[in-house]
Amino acid sequence: EAGVAQSPRYKIIEKRQSVAFWCNPISGHATLYWYQQILGQGPKLLIQFQNNGVVDDSQLPKDRFSAERLKGVDSTLKIQPAKLEDSAVYLCASRHPEYTGELFFGEGSRLTVL
Amino acid sequence: RKEVEQDPGPFNVPEGATVAFNCTYSNSASQSFFWYRQDCRKEPKLLMSVYSSGNEDGRFTAQLNRASQYISLLIRDSKLSDSATYLCAVYLNRDDKIIFGKGTRLHILP
Repeated sequence: EAGVAQSPRYKIIEKRQSVAFWCNPISGHATLYWYQQILGQGPKLLIQFQNNGVVDDSQLPKDRFSAERLKGVDSTLKIQPAKLEDSAVYLCASRHPEYTGELFFGEGSRLTVL
Repeated sequence: RKEVEQDPGPFNVPEGATVAFNCTYSNSASQSFFWYRQDCRKEPKLLMSVYSSGNEDGRFTAQLNRASQYISLLIRDSKLSDSATYLCAVYLNRDDKIIFGKGTRLHILP
């Protein structure tokens, strides 16, 4: 079974530039999450989708971050304009409808903002 | 109070020793509990679920104390390969949300 795919793996940009990350979850996983993990901290939930609808985006900085999952499958997370404090790993995870706790994570997209 | 709290460590433990760490949670409505393992520069992976009756998987034992709102992870006969960050995760059924702690770093020393 293919895992969660994310790209790009690494991205270096300057502040005020924009960046987009892509995620393709495991087939059949209706729930998709984007987490931000800053070095030395645990994953922080940014946004959660159920199929193509947003379940929770309360911690998404909406002035600069946006995310979509138009067809209920793959998803993109965009940052525009980026700030220095956005340097982090952006983890995408998906979950099978019947298993409440097991998230399957992608390898993450590591962003460095200079 | 943070929703999920863990001692960040690091815990430096000699190989073969037993180590335990706890995680506290603030929301009494929390439904399910989990330990994830995260290796350096890798993604988190589920280590084990935590059941009310406690559960064991080889050298790993997880326990839940609902009254005191904490879960624990015990690692016996620690191996060098156990060196990692251990993330506590709490599933909130009402919000269908999974919240992670900051993680506890474990270093097993040869």
